[in-house]
Amino acid sequence: DGGITQSPKYLFRKEGQNVTLSCEQNLNHDAMYWYRQDPGQGLRLIYYSQIVNDFQKGDIAEGYSVSREKKESFPLTVTSAQKNPTAFYLCASTGGRHQPQHFGDGTRLSIL
Amino acid sequence: ELKVEQNPLFLSMQEGKNYTIYCNYSTTSDRLYWYRQDPGKSLESLFVLLSNGAVKQEGRLMASLDTKARLSTLHITAAVHDLSATYFCAPGGPTSGTYKYIFGTGTRLKVLA
Repeated sequence: DGGITQSPKYLFRKEGQNVTLSCEQNLNHDAMYWYRQDPGQGLRLIYYSQIVNDFQKGDIAEGYSVSREKKESFPLTVTSAQKNPTAFYLCASTGGRHQPQHFGDGTRLSIL
Repeated sequence: ELKVEQNPLFLSMQEGKNYTIYCNYSTTSDRLYWYRQDPGKSLESLFVLLSNGAVKQEGRLMASLDTKARLSTLHITAAVHDLSATYFCAPGGPTSGTYKYIFGTGTRLKVLA
C-alpha cells in the first residue's frame, strides 16, 4: 500500500545535538512538507519542497534544515540552534494542487 | 500573507445535536481542505472543496465553500461520540507558482454522551 513513513516514532535529543527525522513516501508525489505541532496547537509549516533539489522555507524554518535529493525522501534535521524542539513533527505529501495532503504518523521529539 | 481562523476553538456538544464550525481565510483561494485529527494521532483528509459553492457530505458531516466570502463551513448533524476529534481547515495556495497550505487554528470537538 502507498503511504508516508516517518521514523522514528519517538526521538530524544541531548543538548547541543543535531537529530534527523526521516520521511519517505511511495506515492510518487512531487510535493512534500514538514510541519511542527505543539500540544493543543495547530500545524506550522517548517519547510516544503515541490521538486527534487529544491525547497522553500516555511513560517518557522529557523533551527531546521532539509534536503530533497530523491523524490521519495525529505529528511528534516533539527539543529542545536533550535532551542525549543519538543513537539510533534508531521511530514506530508501531495500529488497536485487539487489533491489533499497525505500525512505520515508523525515523530515526537523531546529534549533529554 | 494568508491567515486562517476557525471558530469556535473548542466545542462541547451533546450527542444528537447539530452544530457548525466556521473557517475564514484572508486571501483569495480557489480550494479548501478539511482534515480530522484524533488525540495523539496524525491528520486524515475529510473533504476536498475545489470550487465556489462546492458541497461535500460524508455521514454526519457536510462541508461547503464560499470563495467570495472566503468562508468554509463544516456542519455536524446529530453528533455522535465517534466524531470527537480536532478538525482543521486548510485553504490552498496561489493558483500559480509554488504553493503551500496554511492550516487553521483547529476546532477541538467533544461530543458528550
